[in-house]
Amino acid sequence: EPEVTQTPSHQVTQMGQEVILRCVPISNHLYFYWYRQILGQKVEFLVSFYNNEISEKSEIFDDQFSVERPDGSNFTLKIRSTKLEDSAMYFCASSEDRGLATNEKLFFGSGTQLSVL
Amino acid sequence: AQSVTQPDIHITVSEGASLELRCNYSYGATPYLFWYVQSPGQGLQLLLKYFSGDTLVQGIKGFEAEFKRSQSSFNLRKPSVHWSDAAEYFCAVGFTGGGNKLTFGTGTQLKVEL
Repeated sequence: EPEVTQTPSHQVTQMGQEVILRCVPISNHLYFYWYRQILGQKVEFLVSFYNNEISEKSEIFDDQFSVERPDGSNFTLKIRSTKLEDSAMYFCASSEDRGLATNEKLFFGSGTQLSVL
Repeated sequence: AQSVTQPDIHITVSEGASLELRCNYSYGATPYLFWYVQSPGQGLQLLLKYFSGDTLVQGIKGFEAEFKRSQSSFNLRKPSVHWSDAAEYFCAVGFTGGGNKLTFGTGTQLKVEL
């Protein structure tokens, strides 16, 4: 089965530093997402991205966050100045279509564990 | 706004025993419901989903779930658990017009005793 690839699997950074999390979605997919899970809490939607622009974002996704599809294959999440509370598992996901159609599903990557010290 | 509750944070069952993981949702209309599983070091894998029709849904790995509108529940079941089923299980809800934006529960960690 095709898969979404995320790198690195673990990232440690100092508070205030910029960090870029990378994802390679499935090749024919057009819709891309970032979710995150703070330890012990729910998996939360951050942002969706289609046609090189943000489709929707949550209130978590403030000005410190940005997403980009720089080269047609990668999909990145940048945190400009990390805070302690940004420590979480970040999941990338992609889908072929936007809607929750009968045969549609999200494909999730294995996640990047971000630790901000 | 929609929400999902998974009341059991941890569950331990013996291998071969039956399993039921609980999920309750809050949403004004008919939701789309999902169960995902996450094994250590792995991504979220879709087990099954409910959109409409038959309220008993069959999924991969021998799992099934039943949508009960009157109870706002979508419990996951398996008649005989295998040691490889040890993982974290997430219930999620989507809705019409929501695209693929899902609201997740906090997850249930399943431990299987041999």
